[in-house]
Amino acid sequence: DAGVTQSPTHLIKTRGQQVTLRCSPKSGHDTVSWYQQALGQGPQFIFQYYEEEERQRGNFPDRFSGHQFPNYSSELNVNALLLGDSALYLCASSFETFGYGYTFGSGTRLTVV
Amino acid sequence: GNSVTQMEGPVTLSEEAFLTINCTYTATGYPSLFWYVQYPGEGLQLLLKATKADDKGSNKGFEATYRKETTSFHLEKGSVQVSDSAVYFCALSPYNTNAGKSTFGDGTTLTVKP
Repeated sequence: DAGVTQSPTHLIKTRGQQVTLRCSPKSGHDTVSWYQQALGQGPQFIFQYYEEEERQRGNFPDRFSGHQFPNYSSELNVNALLLGDSALYLCASSFETFGYGYTFGSGTRLTVV
Repeated sequence: GNSVTQMEGPVTLSEEAFLTINCTYTATGYPSLFWYVQYPGEGLQLLLKATKADDKGSNKGFEATYRKETTSFHLEKGSVQVSDSAVYFCALSPYNTNAGKSTFGDGTTLTVKP
C-alpha cells in the first residue's frame, strides 16, 4: 500500500520565480494538508484541502496557494519566491478532518537562491 | 491560540537508558495529542496518539499518557536503542469537525550511543 508520495524530492529555484510541488495522498485518504518545516523547527501549517476546497489556512501569505484534484492529489504553488521560503515542504494526508493523525510524505526540499 | 512546548534538546543517552521527553500544551477544548518521529532525510512518522484524557498511547516500546490536569503528554521508553536516534515532535489537533490543523512543537533531537 503506497504511502504519501511527493515530487520532486529536491528543487533549486531563483528568487522571484514560481514553484509547484505535488502530492499524492495515501490510498483511501481524502484530506491533504501542507506544512513548511524550516531547519531545526517543527512543521508549520500552510493549508488543508478537503473535497477540492481549501478548508483551513495558516499564517502564510497569498503567495502560497494550492489545489486539490478529484483523485485527492494536491499541488502547492508558491509565487515570487523569497530566500526565506527555503524549507522542507511536507504533505500529509488523512482520512478525515478530525485530526486523528497524519501520514506524511518524505517532503520536497526547496532551496531558493 | 494552541501551542505545544517540548523540552529542549539535544538529548544524548547510552543504549538501554530510560528516556523521557517532556511535552506540555495549551489548547481549548479536548485536543487529540500525538508524538511523531523524524529520521534524517525523511518525513514525519506517527509514533503514537491519544484522543482523550487518561488515554495511554503506545508503540514500539514508547508510551505517553494524556494528562489533562497537567496539560502534558510526556514521551517515555524504558530502554532506548541506537536505532531510536531521531527527532521527536509532540503535536496536538483540536477536536472538532473542521479541525485538520495540527500544532507541532519544535522537536527534540535524541542521540543514543552504543
